[in-house]
Amino acid sequence: ETAVFQTPNYHVTQVGNEVSFNCKQTLGHDTMYWYKQDSKKLLKIMFSYNNKQLIVNETVPRRFSPQSSDKAHLNLRIKSVEPEDSAVYLCASSTPGGPDTQYFGPGTRLLVL
Amino acid sequence: GEKVEQHESTLSVREGDSAVINCTYTDTASSYFPWYKQEAGKSLHFVIDIRSNVDRKQSQRLTVLLDKKAKRFSLHITATQPEDSAIYFCAASKGTNTGKLTFGDGTVLTVKP
Repeated sequence: ETAVFQTPNYHVTQVGNEVSFNCKQTLGHDTMYWYKQDSKKLLKIMFSYNNKQLIVNETVPRRFSPQSSDKAHLNLRIKSVEPEDSAVYLCASSTPGGPDTQYFGPGTRLLVL
Repeated sequence: GEKVEQHESTLSVREGDSAVINCTYTDTASSYFPWYKQEAGKSLHFVIDIRSNVDRKQSQRLTVLLDKKAKRFSLHITATQPEDSAIYFCAASKGTNTGKLTFGDGTVLTVKP
C-alpha cells in the first residue's frame, strides 16, 4: 500500500534545463527525506526536513534545492541539470524524535541527455 | 562520517537454503540498523530493523543480529524462496533527530529454484 507518492515517475530533459519533482506522504509523519540512487544502485542522502525545516543538507551541488510547503510535502528542484544528475530520486518519510522506520516512495527516474 | 560496508555484493543460494548478508559500520554512535529490499524496477521496501539495545530480532523467516563490539550486523533469511530474490540494503543511523540513513552498497540475492 503506497503512502509516499512521487511525481513524475520518469522525466527526460536536456542539459541546462530546470526540473522539479514532487513528493507527498499521507502517513502523518513530520520528517521527510530525499535520497539519490545512481546507476550502480548506490544510495545517498541529500536532504532531510522536519516539519518544514531543513535539518540535513549533505554535500550536494547548489543547483539542488528542496522546498517544503507543509510537513506532508517535500519537493526537489534542480536548476540547470547536468548529465551526472541522471539517477532515481527517492523520497522517504518517518516519524520524528530519533531514528525510525523510513518509508520510501516509488521514485522519480531522471534522464539528462 | 559514518560508513557502512556491505560485504557480499552478490549472493546466490538454492531455494530452501539459508542466506546471510553481513554489514559493518564505523560510527560507534550509530544505534539504529534497518534493512531494505529492492525488487527489480521497484523502490525500497522496509523488511526488518534492530536497535542497539538488543542484539537479536526475528520476524518470521528473517533474523537480524547485532554485535556492537565488532560494529557488525547481519541479516539471516531461512527457507529462502524465489520471491526473496532482490537487492538487500543495510543501513545505519545515529540516535539523533535527523534520522539520516547511511546505506551499504547493496547485496544482490538470487534464489534459484
